[in-house]
Amino acid sequence: GQQVMQIPQYQHVQEGEDFTTYCNSSTTLSNIQWYKQRPGGHPVFLIQLVKSGEVKKQKRLTFQFGEAKKNSSLHITATQTTDVGTYFCAENTGTASKLTFGTGTRLQVTL
Amino acid sequence: DAEITQSPRHKITETGRQVTLACHQTWNHNNMFWYRQDLGHGLRLIHYSYGVHDTNKGEVSDGYSVSRSNTEDLPLTLESAASSQTSVYFCASSPDTDREGQFFGPGTRLTVL
Repeated sequence: GQQVMQIPQYQHVQEGEDFTTYCNSSTTLSNIQWYKQRPGGHPVFLIQLVKSGEVKKQKRLTFQFGEAKKNSSLHITATQTTDVGTYFCAENTGTASKLTFGTGTRLQVTL
Repeated sequence: DAEITQSPRHKITETGRQVTLACHQTWNHNNMFWYRQDLGHGLRLIHYSYGVHDTNKGEVSDGYSVSRSNTEDLPLTLESAASSQTSVYFCASSPDTDREGQFFGPGTRLTVL
């Protein structure tokens, strides 16, 4: 089945460094959602982007939706050990509430 | 507080046995979903439901079935468990508006020997 591509698959940073994960789709999206999953935990919803070119911020996290609504990014400024986990994008191509999840980017942060 | 629960949290079974994983939500959400999570594949949709008596197949539905007899529950049945179905299973629910995303249960780790 179709999956949304996310890059990188894994990134290891030192605390205080920035981190970015990218999500790319071959189709135009109705909206895109981002989730975080801590090790051993379940995915937790972070945000939804709907508009072309939209940028939203949550403290040190910045989410962007591409102008063509085919890609998105999540940027974390000055990572902390609490940012450790896997970040997933999830695309909604129009069918109500049904999502296709990306493969995820696993973030490891060390002191 | 409203919540979504899954049971059991861990299950070991044998090939060929029927297994049912429970999912119960008290959010009163119409939409419910079952995913499996495997290394390298992220979350893949098994089945989903938009309301009572509604069920739909996801991308990896073979060998699985669901039924929706009320708003709160969407049990997932593996009709004849196979080793390829060893995985972590997540149930999720969402309201009709997409803005709040999906709410996930804690997951069930299933091992098929």
